[in-house]
Amino acid sequence: DAGVIQSPRHEVTEMGQEVTLRCKPISGHNSLFWYRQTMMRGLELLIYFNNNVPIDDSGMPEDRFSAKMPNASFSTLKIQPSEPRDSAVYFCASTGTGMNTEAFFGQGTRLTVV
Amino acid sequence: KQEVTQIPAALSVPEGENLVLNCSFTDSAIYNLQWFRQDPGKGLTSLLLIQSSQREQTSGRLNASLDKSSGRSTLYIAASQPGDSATYLCAVNQGGSEKLVFGKGTKLTVNP
Repeated sequence: DAGVIQSPRHEVTEMGQEVTLRCKPISGHNSLFWYRQTMMRGLELLIYFNNNVPIDDSGMPEDRFSAKMPNASFSTLKIQPSEPRDSAVYFCASTGTGMNTEAFFGQGTRLTVV
Repeated sequence: KQEVTQIPAALSVPEGENLVLNCSFTDSAIYNLQWFRQDPGKGLTSLLLIQSSQREQTSGRLNASLDKSSGRSTLYIAASQPGDSATYLCAVNQGGSEKLVFGKGTKLTVNP
């Protein structure tokens, strides 16, 4: 398996524009996580899905953020409208069945909002 | 609310030295604890996972211990090499949830 695949790797956009980040989890994994990493706050969980269903979105900062998982092999994180304070590295991770399974991370999307 | 702290924030050692990275957490009701490695500009790679019922896990030159009652874990790296230079993060999996709560990491530099 190629691992967790995220696209794009880098995104530079202007304030107010819509940004869509994409993630393909490892085949067979049934949980998918979106994290945001900044120097100040470290890694923060935004939302996670289990069997394509959102389980906990308490980390989503505000209504400008939304996430979907239409099927087991694809998820999106959308920011509309984007703001400079959204600049960060966004990671997607997936895990297999059971609580004691390792989390596998994608390479991340570095988002810069100017 | 679970909080994970890693000390020190940065560590620089000469090649060949044995070293210990520390991780502490405030709520002992965890399901497991994981140690990750992050290279600059890269994602996280899982190194070791310790279940709450376990005391330690070993992989090659790495040994991680867990003392759940005191809310502490250590990552021991033996005979450090320049290739070990990276940021090491610990994360706890809160009981009843699949969420991982991360520390801010220890940036390790191993000098040749």
